[in-house]
Amino acid sequence: DAKTTQPNSMESNEEEPVHLPCNHSTISGTDYIHWYRQLPSQGPEYVIHGLTSNVNNRMASLAIAEDRKSSTLILHRATLRDAAVYYCIYSGNTGKLIFGQGTTLQVKP
Amino acid sequence: DSGVTQTPKHLITATGQRVTLRCSPRSGDLSVYWYQQSLDQGLQFLIQYYNGEERAKGNILERFSAQQFPDLHSELNLSSLELGDSALYFCASSVDVGGINEKLFFGSGTQLSVL
Repeated sequence: DAKTTQPNSMESNEEEPVHLPCNHSTISGTDYIHWYRQLPSQGPEYVIHGLTSNVNNRMASLAIAEDRKSSTLILHRATLRDAAVYYCIYSGNTGKLIFGQGTTLQVKP
Repeated sequence: DSGVTQTPKHLITATGQRVTLRCSPRSGDLSVYWYQQSLDQGLQFLIQYYNGEERAKGNILERFSAQQFPDLHSELNLSSLELGDSALYFCASSVDVGGINEKLFFGSGTQLSVL
Protein backbone atom coordinates (compact mmCIF):
# COMPACT_ATOMS: atom_id res chain seq x y z
CA ASP A 1 0.00 0.00 0.00
CA ALA A 2 1.08 3.57 -0.65
CA LYS A 3 2.68 4.84 2.56
CA THR A 4 2.76 8.39 3.90
CA THR A 5 4.11 9.66 7.21
CA GLN A 6 2.44 12.49 9.11
CA PRO A 7 2.73 13.77 12.66
CA ASN A 8 -0.02 12.39 14.89
CA SER A 9 -1.13 15.80 16.08
CA MET A 10 -0.47 19.52 15.73
CA GLU A 11 -1.74 22.64 17.42
CA SER A 12 -2.35 26.07 16.02
CA ASN A 13 -3.74 29.38 17.16
CA GLU A 14 -6.78 30.82 15.49
CA GLU A 15 -6.06 33.16 12.57
CA GLU A 16 -2.46 32.00 12.26
CA PRO A 17 -1.08 29.98 9.34
CA VAL A 18 -0.72 26.24 9.73
CA HIS A 19 1.78 24.06 7.89
CA LEU A 20 0.94 20.37 7.91
CA PRO A 21 3.85 18.20 6.72
CA CYS A 22 3.75 14.85 4.96
CA ASN A 23 6.50 12.50 3.83
CA HIS A 24 5.93 10.17 0.89
CA SER A 25 9.37 8.90 -0.02
CA THR A 26 8.12 5.96 -2.14
CA ILE A 27 5.88 8.02 -4.40
CA SER A 28 6.24 7.41 -8.12
CA GLY A 29 6.51 10.07 -10.79
CA THR A 30 2.86 9.78 -11.83
CA ASP A 31 1.16 9.68 -8.42
CA TYR A 32 -0.86 12.68 -7.36
CA ILE A 33 -0.66 13.79 -3.74
CA HIS A 34 -4.10 14.22 -2.22
CA TRP A 35 -5.19 15.86 1.01
CA TYR A 36 -8.50 15.17 2.67
CA ARG A 37 -9.78 16.24 6.04
CA GLN A 38 -12.37 14.78 8.36
CA LEU A 39 -14.26 17.04 10.69
CA PRO A 40 -15.78 15.48 13.82
CA SER A 41 -18.78 13.26 13.06
CA GLN A 42 -18.48 13.80 9.30
CA GLY A 43 -17.14 11.94 6.29
CA PRO A 44 -13.77 12.88 4.81
CA GLU A 45 -13.76 15.99 2.65
CA TYR A 46 -11.49 16.73 -0.30
CA VAL A 47 -9.07 19.59 0.34
CA ILE A 48 -6.56 19.74 -2.49
CA HIS A 49 -4.33 17.62 -4.71
CA GLY A 50 -1.33 18.13 -6.96
CA LEU A 51 1.39 16.43 -8.96
CA THR A 52 4.54 18.55 -9.13
CA SER A 53 4.02 22.25 -8.85
CA ASN A 54 2.43 24.10 -5.97
CA VAL A 55 -1.36 24.30 -6.00
CA ASN A 56 -3.80 26.78 -4.52
CA ASN A 57 -7.53 26.72 -4.02
CA ARG A 58 -10.03 28.49 -1.80
CA MET A 59 -9.40 26.11 1.07
CA ALA A 60 -5.63 25.74 1.16
CA SER A 61 -2.30 25.66 -0.64
CA LEU A 62 -0.19 22.62 -1.36
CA ALA A 63 3.58 22.95 -1.53
CA ILE A 64 5.32 19.97 -3.09
CA ALA A 65 9.05 19.43 -2.67
CA GLU A 66 11.14 19.39 -5.81
CA ASP A 67 12.00 15.69 -5.33
CA ARG A 68 8.31 15.00 -4.53
CA LYS A 69 9.22 12.99 -1.45
CA SER A 70 7.40 15.40 0.82
CA SER A 71 4.66 17.99 0.74
CA THR A 72 3.09 20.57 3.02
CA LEU A 73 -0.54 21.57 3.30
CA ILE A 74 -0.86 25.23 4.19
CA LEU A 75 -3.93 26.72 5.81
CA HIS A 76 -3.34 30.44 5.54
CA ARG A 77 -5.50 31.52 8.48
CA ALA A 78 -6.72 28.73 10.71
CA THR A 79 -10.22 29.00 12.10
CA LEU A 80 -11.90 26.90 14.77
CA ARG A 81 -13.79 25.13 11.98
CA ASP A 82 -10.49 23.87 10.58
CA ALA A 83 -10.02 21.56 13.58
CA ALA A 84 -10.06 18.12 11.98
CA VAL A 85 -7.98 15.09 11.05
CA TYR A 86 -5.96 15.83 7.91
CA TYR A 87 -4.99 12.93 5.68
CA CYS A 88 -2.15 13.03 3.15
CA ILE A 89 -2.55 10.26 0.59
CA TYR A 90 -1.44 9.02 -2.78
CA SER A 91 -2.79 6.07 -4.68
CA GLY A 92 0.39 4.23 -5.57
CA ASN A 93 0.10 1.39 -8.06
CA THR A 94 -3.21 0.29 -6.55
CA GLY A 95 -5.07 3.18 -8.14
CA LYS A 96 -7.12 3.62 -4.98
CA LEU A 97 -6.71 6.04 -2.12
CA ILE A 98 -5.51 4.38 1.07
CA PHE A 99 -5.91 6.52 4.18
CA GLY A 100 -3.34 6.49 6.98
CA GLN A 101 -3.83 7.76 10.52
CA GLY A 102 -3.59 11.42 9.55
CA THR A 103 -2.73 14.48 11.63
CA THR A 104 -5.21 15.71 14.21
CA LEU A 105 -5.18 19.50 14.09
CA GLN A 106 -6.30 21.43 17.15
CA VAL A 107 -7.03 25.12 16.74
CA LYS A 108 -6.96 27.24 19.86
CA PRO A 109 -8.94 30.47 20.14
CA ASP B 1 -23.37 18.64 1.44
CA SER B 2 -21.26 16.33 -0.74
CA GLY B 3 -24.22 15.05 -2.76
CA VAL B 4 -23.59 11.46 -1.63
CA THR B 5 -26.50 10.02 0.36
CA GLN B 6 -26.17 7.14 2.79
CA THR B 7 -28.98 5.39 4.60
CA PRO B 8 -29.62 4.60 7.33
CA LYS B 9 -27.59 6.99 9.48
CA HIS B 10 -27.63 4.63 12.43
CA LEU B 11 -28.18 0.90 12.68
CA ILE B 12 -28.27 -1.22 15.79
CA THR B 13 -28.39 -4.97 15.46
CA ALA B 14 -27.32 -8.18 17.15
CA THR B 15 -24.48 -10.59 16.51
CA GLY B 16 -25.19 -13.10 13.78
CA GLN B 17 -27.59 -10.82 11.95
CA ARG B 18 -27.40 -9.43 8.42
CA VAL B 19 -27.76 -5.77 7.42
CA THR B 20 -27.74 -3.76 4.21
CA LEU B 21 -26.28 -0.29 3.89
CA ARG B 22 -27.32 1.86 0.99
CA CYS B 23 -25.48 4.58 -0.92
CA SER B 24 -26.61 6.96 -3.65
CA PRO B 25 -23.68 8.60 -5.42
CA ARG B 26 -23.56 12.18 -6.66
CA SER B 27 -25.53 12.71 -9.81
CA GLY B 28 -23.39 11.66 -12.76
CA ASP B 29 -20.73 9.83 -10.75
CA LEU B 30 -20.00 6.34 -12.02
CA SER B 31 -17.75 5.01 -9.24
CA VAL B 32 -18.77 4.09 -5.73
CA TYR B 33 -16.35 3.21 -2.96
CA TRP B 34 -16.96 1.72 0.48
CA TYR B 35 -14.78 2.43 3.48
CA GLN B 36 -14.94 1.18 7.07
CA GLN B 37 -13.77 3.37 9.94
CA SER B 38 -13.19 1.94 13.38
CA LEU B 39 -11.31 3.43 16.30
CA ASP B 40 -8.42 0.97 16.14
CA GLN B 41 -8.12 0.51 12.36
CA GLY B 42 -8.74 3.98 11.00
CA LEU B 43 -10.29 4.42 7.57
CA GLN B 44 -10.05 1.13 5.64
CA PHE B 45 -10.84 0.79 1.95
CA LEU B 46 -13.24 -2.10 1.33
CA ILE B 47 -14.30 -2.15 -2.30
CA GLN B 48 -14.94 -0.03 -5.41
CA TYR B 49 -17.53 -0.39 -8.13
CA TYR B 50 -17.44 1.38 -11.47
CA ASN B 51 -20.55 1.49 -13.63
CA GLY B 52 -21.91 -1.70 -12.13
CA GLU B 53 -18.70 -3.72 -12.15
CA GLU B 54 -16.30 -4.44 -9.31
CA ARG B 55 -13.19 -2.37 -9.95
CA ALA B 56 -10.93 -2.74 -6.91
CA LYS B 57 -10.95 -4.72 -3.72
CA GLY B 58 -9.40 -3.87 -0.39
CA ASN B 59 -9.67 -5.40 3.05
CA ILE B 60 -13.21 -6.67 2.64
CA LEU B 61 -14.20 -9.74 4.64
CA GLU B 62 -15.85 -12.70 2.93
CA ARG B 63 -18.93 -12.09 5.10
CA PHE B 64 -19.31 -8.71 3.39
CA SER B 65 -20.46 -8.18 -0.16
CA ALA B 66 -21.45 -5.23 -2.27
CA GLN B 67 -23.05 -4.44 -5.58
CA GLN B 68 -23.82 -1.47 -7.77
CA PHE B 69 -27.17 -1.37 -9.52
CA PRO B 70 -28.05 -0.03 -13.00
CA ASP B 71 -29.19 3.26 -11.47
CA LEU B 72 -25.68 3.44 -9.93
CA HIS B 73 -26.73 3.25 -6.31
CA SER B 74 -24.80 0.73 -4.27
CA GLU B 75 -25.50 -1.56 -1.35
CA LEU B 76 -23.08 -3.07 1.12
CA ASN B 77 -24.31 -6.29 2.71
CA LEU B 78 -22.82 -7.39 6.01
CA SER B 79 -23.73 -10.85 7.28
CA SER B 80 -23.01 -13.04 10.31
CA LEU B 81 -22.24 -9.85 12.15
CA GLU B 82 -19.69 -9.81 14.94
CA LEU B 83 -19.03 -7.29 17.68
CA GLY B 84 -15.90 -6.19 15.84
CA ASP B 85 -17.94 -5.12 12.82
CA SER B 86 -19.23 -2.15 14.79
CA ALA B 87 -17.90 0.86 12.91
CA LEU B 88 -18.72 3.82 10.73
CA TYR B 89 -19.22 2.80 7.12
CA PHE B 90 -18.63 5.48 4.51
CA CYS B 91 -19.56 5.53 0.90
CA ALA B 92 -17.77 7.79 -1.57
CA SER B 93 -18.25 8.48 -5.24
CA SER B 94 -16.19 9.86 -8.09
CA VAL B 95 -16.94 10.89 -11.63
CA ASP B 96 -14.97 8.24 -13.46
CA VAL B 97 -13.07 5.02 -12.90
CA GLY B 98 -11.12 6.42 -9.97
CA GLY B 99 -7.86 7.45 -11.51
CA ILE B 100 -5.02 8.96 -9.59
CA ASN B 101 -6.19 12.46 -10.45
CA GLU B 102 -9.76 12.08 -9.27
CA LYS B 103 -11.51 13.54 -6.24
CA LEU B 104 -13.65 11.42 -3.97
CA PHE B 105 -16.85 12.78 -2.43
CA PHE B 106 -17.88 11.11 0.81
CA GLY B 107 -21.26 10.64 2.40
CA SER B 108 -21.89 11.25 6.08
CA GLY B 109 -21.71 7.56 6.91
CA THR B 110 -23.75 4.82 8.54
CA GLN B 111 -22.94 4.09 12.18
CA LEU B 112 -23.34 0.36 12.75
CA SER B 113 -23.52 -0.96 16.29
CA VAL B 114 -23.50 -4.72 16.79
CA LEU B 115 -24.62 -5.72 20.29
